Amino acid sequence: DQQVKQNSPSLSVQEGRISILNCDYTNSMFDYFLWYKKYPAEGPTFLISISSIKDKNEDGRFTVFLNKSAKHLSLHIVPSQPGDSAVYFCAASVGIHNQGGKLIFGQGTELSVKP
Amino acid sequence: NAGVTQTPKFRVLKTGQSMTLLCAQDMNHEYMYWYRQDPGMGLRLIHYSVGEGTTAKGEVPDGYNVSRLKKQNFLLGLESAAPSQTSVYFCASSLSRRATGELFFGEGSRLTVL
Repeated sequence: DQQVKQNSPSLSVQEGRISILNCDYTNSMFDYFLWYKKYPAEGPTFLISISSIKDKNEDGRFTVFLNKSAKHLSLHIVPSQPGDSAVYFCAASVGIHNQGGKLIFGQGTELSVKP
Repeated sequence: NAGVTQTPKFRVLKTGQSMTLLCAQDMNHEYMYWYRQDPGMGLRLIHYSVGEGTTAKGEVPDGYNVSRLKKQNFLLGLESAAPSQTSVYFCASSLSRRATGELFFGEGSRLTVL
């Protein structure tokens, strides 16, 4: 039972264009969402997050959008750069009680930004 | 500035052998986690700890045991390794009583069970 799903295993984008990575979730109790970025042979690193009380959060070139009614979130990267090429994981948690900060991750989407 | 350190980085085991992965963090974090990453499965939580002396089961705990005797260390043990445990294992830590859920990960330990 995959509670957090990233249905696109890979995405290829031209440098300078927009990258849109999608994530769907099934558990309506999730109230905090995060995106992590992972380079080969490294651990994931935190990228950006959003609380369920918001529908948008922006940090430089990265924006996360949350659509609670559709149980869907997306990560927009504008403009995309070759250094953004990595695997991106969507994650969700039940924030209030936090369950020890336990996160449920999606399968990941491998982004390739071509020069 | 070490952060989260995992040892060993690589290990090859034969079926039935046992081993322990060590995770150490120097950020004074209360919470620590062990995840495994498999192709097409993302990161799945094995066990976690909300403080020294505590452990709890995650999504895929079978075949693993953990211990948190010291706040800075979280050990993951495989008592009798199976080929299905071939994976990349990630340890992570986080601040306590924070609703943000941000985790800090180690670089991973690649385990192959023959």
